[in-house]
Amino acid sequence: SQQGEEDPQALSIQEGENATMNCSYKTSINNLQWYRQNSGRGLVHLILIRSNEREKHSGRLRVTLDTSKKSSSLLITASRAADTASYFCATDPDTDKLIFGTGTRLQVFP
Amino acid sequence: GAGVSQTPSNKVTEKGKYVELRCDPISGHTALYWYRQSLGQGPEFLIYFQGTGAADDSGLPNDRFFAVRPEGSVSTLKIQRTERGDSAVYLCASSYERARGNEQFFGPGTRLTVL
Repeated sequence: SQQGEEDPQALSIQEGENATMNCSYKTSINNLQWYRQNSGRGLVHLILIRSNEREKHSGRLRVTLDTSKKSSSLLITASRAADTASYFCATDPDTDKLIFGTGTRLQVFP
Repeated sequence: GAGVSQTPSNKVTEKGKYVELRCDPISGHTALYWYRQSLGQGPEFLIYFQGTGAADDSGLPNDRFFAVRPEGSVSTLKIQRTERGDSAVYLCASSYERARGNEQFFGPGTRLTVL
């Protein structure tokens, strides 16, 4: 079963704009990770935020975590056409396995 | 260095047949995972190995699915009596030591189509 849901399911923006994706999850977590997937194949790890952290940055990425609301957001600033992909949040609630959300499909137009 | 590799990249089989999907993790990674991803969905956990042993196989949908990792490196996911509903992309991932709190490195996946 899927732990979380991403919102929106799909997002279309122009290059240079910011893209914000949200993730909600159901149970308490140890960590939350964001992954990117191109063309429905292998996933690439973007960033990990621990349950005691509230915000984390990596290059053009900014992730926030609100454990009281069981939600996280991923912000991609100054988006590029190459950012076009599906983005998934993943949590490890109580074990070593990752539980993925349903994903946001991001389309960035040149 | 080499990433996680999976073979074959695509597999087409007929309903009722047996298939094997292979995963070569990153050298030195002791944790290995199998996930299944259906169209438009996120990956769903199948099984997790720590070394040679299956530490968590709670995601295997039924007893037609089985996975092994005999030497603690390469893993094979085996599906017996395949059904059309087994069609999906099967993803393998590995991580250094135990995976909790650690990044998982994914392979490109095997797209399985059951006709």
